[in-house]
Amino acid sequence: LAKTTQPISMDSYEGQEVNITCSHNNIATNDYITWYQQFPSQGPRFIIQGYKTKVTNEVASLFIPADRKSSTLSLPRVSLSDTAVYYCLVGRNSGGYQKVTFGTGTKLQVIP
Amino acid sequence: DVKVTQSSRYLVKRTGEKVFLECVQDMDHENMFWYRQDPGLGLRLIYFSYDVKMKEKGDIPEGYSVSREKKERFSLILESASTSQTSMYLCASSGGQGLQPQHFGDGTRLSIL
Repeated sequence: LAKTTQPISMDSYEGQEVNITCSHNNIATNDYITWYQQFPSQGPRFIIQGYKTKVTNEVASLFIPADRKSSTLSLPRVSLSDTAVYYCLVGRNSGGYQKVTFGTGTKLQVIP
Repeated sequence: DVKVTQSSRYLVKRTGEKVFLECVQDMDHENMFWYRQDPGLGLRLIYFSYDVKMKEKGDIPEGYSVSREKKERFSLILESASTSQTSMYLCASSGGQGLQPQHFGDGTRLSIL
């Protein structure tokens, strides 16, 4: 079971690019990396998922180095509405039963 | 729009009561999950189900049970509620064999007095 480590909190000014890194040293060969965003009083929301190199969607980019022992969620030009907790989760997408566990997340505060 | 719906946003119960939390998903997903979320502890998996009538224990199953009689519905049961079970409870679902939750409900804030 891959354990993840993230910074507890980060601050950023509006308009800046924010990079949040997650460490997962014991990631398995067929594990994927998934990031979620959670606002207060809401359930987490899927942002992006990747296996290796770089993945980009309309919301974020995900960078995964060749050794896959870490990953970086990149949010371009953040706004106040991006203030939330961001979770990194590691686990496989197929092959049957596997228990996956969330870490404690990174609380991002965007400052005007 | 895909949806995971939890029956109550807020619930107050008394110690010793049997409590049912209901979750319904409309995406025909095979997998459903129950988490609890507490300050400083993040999301912790209580139980999940990968098929009708199938269930697996998560990280903190003690004091809880689950029921999945139909594919779209996953119930969490607190057999005899205790104050330590006061928490935010989140239901989630995912499709296929993937076991990373894809869609979450908005949670039930449960208070046990």
